[in-house]
Amino acid sequence: GESVGLHLPTLSVQEGDNSIINCAYSNSASDYFIWYKQESGKGPQFIIDIRSNMDKRQGQRVTVLLNKTVKHLSLQIAATQPGDSAVYFCAETSNYGGSQGNLIFGKGTKLSVKP
Amino acid sequence: NAGVMQNPRHLVRRRGQEARLRCSPMKGHSHVYWYRQLPEEGLKFMVYLQKENIIDESGMPKERFSAEFPKEGPSILRIQQVVRGDSAAYFCASSPKQGSGYTFGSGTRLTVV
Repeated sequence: GESVGLHLPTLSVQEGDNSIINCAYSNSASDYFIWYKQESGKGPQFIIDIRSNMDKRQGQRVTVLLNKTVKHLSLQIAATQPGDSAVYFCAETSNYGGSQGNLIFGKGTKLSVKP
Repeated sequence: NAGVMQNPRHLVRRRGQEARLRCSPMKGHSHVYWYRQLPEEGLKFMVYLQKENIIDESGMPKERFSAEFPKEGPSILRIQQVVRGDSAAYFCASSPKQGSGYTFGSGTRLTVV
């Protein structure tokens, strides 16, 4: 069935280093992917998204890579800062702009940044 | 733009009581989604609504749970006869069109005692 999961449940990095958070998905019909950041006690905050017709998309300090061949998604954070400490979720949908709007979330990776 | 507003932020209910969770979408957003999050887990889709219509309720438990999004006012997630297993964080998101541009609220943390 459909599932979105993460390879690493926790990730600890030194401030200033780059972080890579990975995500695997099993629904080959997925056509839209989103990375969210969730800080303690708060709702998910949009970081970056990517459509299935793209392999890479860059934002400010963040890059998302999509490998449709192996159904793998990653989030790269450059020069990680203490404020980046949070739980990161990938989410996917197989009906972008269609009649269904629900997202399927992975379990999450907790990123801890050491000063 | 105040974003997606959810209230209350925290709600405590005794077993058997009713819980009503409210969500006001962002201005201009007519699509509302409810998700539930258990501790240490990702969000699980519950229901997708547009004004006065339930579009997809495939994630809603068959009993005790209902949702509405009236023409006027916030969207309401209602849980009747709450049980301990209903304790979770409930998040609402809104979007300007189907399937994209989600913005989440800060959630309502329901505790059933």
